[in-house]
Amino acid sequence: AQSVTQLDSHVSVSEGTPVLLRCNYSSSYSPSLFWYVQHPNKGLQLLLKYTSAATLVKGINGFEAEFKKSETSFHLTKPSAHMSDAAEYFCVVSSYNFNKFYFGSGTKLNVKP
Amino acid sequence: NAGVTQTPKFQVLKTGQSMTLQCAQDMNHNSMYWYRQDPGMGLRLIYYSASEGTTDKGEVPNGYNVSRLNKREFSLRLESAAPSQTSVYFCASSDWGSSKNIQYFGAGTRLSVL
Repeated sequence: AQSVTQLDSHVSVSEGTPVLLRCNYSSSYSPSLFWYVQHPNKGLQLLLKYTSAATLVKGINGFEAEFKKSETSFHLTKPSAHMSDAAEYFCVVSSYNFNKFYFGSGTKLNVKP
Repeated sequence: NAGVTQTPKFQVLKTGQSMTLQCAQDMNHNSMYWYRQDPGMGLRLIYYSASEGTTDKGEVPNGYNVSRLNKREFSLRLESAAPSQTSVYFCASSDWGSSKNIQYFGAGTRLSVL
């Protein structure tokens, strides 16, 4: 079975400081993993995805994530937060046949001026 | 390039009323999905359709029905709405294969059941 655990429901950082959003996954096979972002009252937008190529994945808006099989983690990072990064972020794992996607409960990122 | 279009954007229903949420995608994707989003629970899959002509239950299917009308359209029906179905509903589509399995989402339908 596949599942995702986002370890923090809320993260607050100051503008210009690093961002770390944590995600652990459970999968019985080599997973495909995604991070999506949702700005207030908007739909979801793909930030980045991992599908067994390079373990360090670069996404849009300066975000990146590192796949660590030994730790079953896929944490999302950004070196310097911007006010526009304030949103909710979802870690997602897909099923083996890519037909179903399993979402974490989300992490709300607050960026303070 | 419209992507995934959902209608309506907002809806208020009384308990027991019925309604259909519409979803259409113009990306020629095989798979389509309906999710509900509730605070602190992420997105939960209601139903999905892996291809035209097939539908399967997701995590929370009770109280809902779906129709995959054609490759473009996937509708979600509430036959007798209940307050517990107050939520934000998202439709998504994706294609098959590890290089293509990115979900594209609509803007959502905000439903209140009184």
